[in-house]
Amino acid sequence: NAGVTQTPKFQVLKTGQSMTLQCAQDMNHNSMYWYRQDPGMGLRLIYYSASEGTTDKGEVPNGYNVSRLNKREFSLRLESAAPSQTSVYFCASTGDLNTEAFFGQGTRLTVV
Amino acid sequence: GDSVTQMEGPVTLSEEAFLTINCTYTATGYPSLFWYVQYPGEGLQLLLKATKADDKGSNKGFEATYRKETTSFHLEKGSVQVSDSAVYFCAPSGGSYIPTFGRGTSLIVHP
Repeated sequence: NAGVTQTPKFQVLKTGQSMTLQCAQDMNHNSMYWYRQDPGMGLRLIYYSASEGTTDKGEVPNGYNVSRLNKREFSLRLESAAPSQTSVYFCASTGDLNTEAFFGQGTRLTVV
Repeated sequence: GDSVTQMEGPVTLSEEAFLTINCTYTATGYPSLFWYVQYPGEGLQLLLKATKADDKGSNKGFEATYRKETTSFHLEKGSVQVSDSAVYFCAPSGGSYIPTFGRGTSLIVHP
């Protein structure tokens, strides 16, 4: 059982480049999330998708877009990367209300 | 919305010492409460949970009791090991259903 799979694990971008972070879960979960983790800041929610076909902004959505491609997949896109987007990105999913979150291994992104 | 306050880290202990990491929360409705652990280079994983008042969650020697009257969910372990060195996150999951995380508390255990 793979759980939540994120790709890539590492990425270096130049300022202004674009990229898409991929996330897939095989647990038939309805809700999926993208967080970023920065030193001293904990996890901050970027975007989430409560169910297939819906997406909503989280705490720090600026500079990002998302797509809930189907129930399994939830991608995060950076259209024009900036150094401030250097971070570790985590995808997560949850099943029913008030149940635990399952996390991917993370993507370490550096924008130079 | 939901929010969490965790004690600042890092917490530095010697092996076999007693550990407490404080956590208080605000949440709408009647949340479930979770502690997650993040080992270096990995994502978060569930450590333990409690779903109603006075429940005690436990796993790997860690414990936390759901205290509704004080809105707290403090994490404890009687004797820490070097392998417990990690970052610990307290997280309520309440009416908003979106997992909300504290800033995390880094634990460093020395031999």
